[in-house]
Amino acid sequence: GENVEQHPSTLSVQEGDSAVIKCTYSDSASNYFPWYKQELGKGPQLIIDIRSNVGEKKDQRIAVTLNKTAKHFSLHITETQPEDSAVYFCAASIIGSYDKVIFGPGTSLSVIP
Amino acid sequence: NAGVTQTPKFQVLKTGQSMTLQCAQDMNHEYMSWYRQDPGMGLRLIHYSVGAGITDQGEVPNGYNVSRSTTEDFPLRLLSAAPSQTSVYFCASSYWTGDEKLFFGSGTQLSVL
Repeated sequence: GENVEQHPSTLSVQEGDSAVIKCTYSDSASNYFPWYKQELGKGPQLIIDIRSNVGEKKDQRIAVTLNKTAKHFSLHITETQPEDSAVYFCAASIIGSYDKVIFGPGTSLSVIP
Repeated sequence: NAGVTQTPKFQVLKTGQSMTLQCAQDMNHEYMSWYRQDPGMGLRLIHYSVGAGITDQGEVPNGYNVSRSTTEDFPLRLLSAAPSQTSVYFCASSYWTGDEKLFFGSGTQLSVL
């Protein structure tokens, strides 16, 4: 079955710096890769996603890149702000197969003012 | 629009007790699911449903039961609680149209002593 690894497990950056979180997946059939942000005491919230027919997607300060050949995808946050501090989860799935959404273990991001 | 509502937010049980975690959504989503979140392990799927009267098992279903009598509600039952079920539980929902965006509730923190 699918396995998703995520690195680093914790990340501290100075406000204004960039943060990068990397994930790898094992199932070449996976074709949808969402990223979720979980703030303290809340449920995860989708922040950006990418499908396998796209190599990069950007939404303001957040971008995701996908390398299908290497089976890895990354989240890039530029100009980090204290409100970016949260736990970030990557996931890999096959569109239409809801029982095959596999999440990574999470990255705790701290943005230091 | 309330989204996905989970109750209770916190619960302490003794080993062997039973309880039901409630989940309701007001977005007319066909797909609903339950995840558990444990440190360093991300989110793991317990059970899911693609419509009223239809349920299926996820990755970690043992010790849990579900039913789906209405589109809005998807309760999770612990039949005989065990310390291994100490976790944070999240309910999530989505449209069953190939759109994979999951909407999560705020979670239930469960401790089994």
